[in-house]
Amino acid sequence: DAGITQSPRYKITETGRQVTLMCHQTWSHSYMFWYRQDLGHGLRLIYYSAAADITDKGEVPDGYVVSRSKTENFPLTLESATRSQTSVYFCASRADRMAEAFFGQGTRLTVV
Amino acid sequence: AQKVTQAQTEISVVEKEDVTLDCVYETRDTTYYLFWYKQPPSGELVFLIRRNSFDEQNEISGRYSWNFQKSTSSFNFTITASQVVDSAVYFCALSDLYSGAGSYQLTFGKGTKLSVIP
Repeated sequence: DAGITQSPRYKITETGRQVTLMCHQTWSHSYMFWYRQDLGHGLRLIYYSAAADITDKGEVPDGYVVSRSKTENFPLTLESATRSQTSVYFCASRADRMAEAFFGQGTRLTVV
Repeated sequence: AQKVTQAQTEISVVEKEDVTLDCVYETRDTTYYLFWYKQPPSGELVFLIRRNSFDEQNEISGRYSWNFQKSTSSFNFTITASQVVDSAVYFCALSDLYSGAGSYQLTFGKGTKLSVIP
C-alpha cells in the first residue's frame, strides 16, 4: 500500500528491554522524522533524517537510536526502555523542506 | 532556533459559533513555511494547509480560513459556524530553509484542543 506505515500499532514492553518501532514510506521522500506525543507537550521531535545515512538529533533524543540504511525505512530503537518513554510515537516523511509532512498512524508504546 | 507557540491549550465553543486558533512563531530565516494539522479523536494527523512566507494573502477553504500576518509573526486559523466534527486537537507547525545546524526541522506547537458542544 502506498503511504507511510508504522508497526506495531500497539506495544507493551518491560523496563530495560530493547524495542524497535518501524516506519516505512513508499514515496521515496528524502526527509523522515520521529516525534513523540505526550499530554501537555504536543509533538516533540526525537530524531530526523535528510537522506539515507544522514540523521540528526531533535529536541528529545536521549535513550533513542535511529538508523537509515535505506531511504524508505527509518526505525527507532529504545535501547533500554524506561517508563518515561511511554508515549505515542509518530513517524513522518516529507519530500523536501517546503513540503507538508505526512504522518503514520502512530504507535502507542507502554513501558511497564 | 525555530519556535511555535499556541497559547490556547483548550477552547470550548457551542456549535455554530466561530472560533479562532492562534499561532505565533519565531524563525531565524526569511523564507519559511507554516502548516496547520488536525488530530481528531481517532488519533491520526491530518494536513490542512501550507503557507510560505512570501504569500500573505488570507486563504479560505469552506468554513476554514487562515490569516497570515508577517508583521506579528502569526498564522491564525478560524473555523466559521463550528460543527461537532471540528472537535480535535489542532497543531501549527513551522519549517524554514536555514542551512546551518538544526536545519530542515519541522517544529510543532503544543496544540490547541477544540471542543465543539452540540
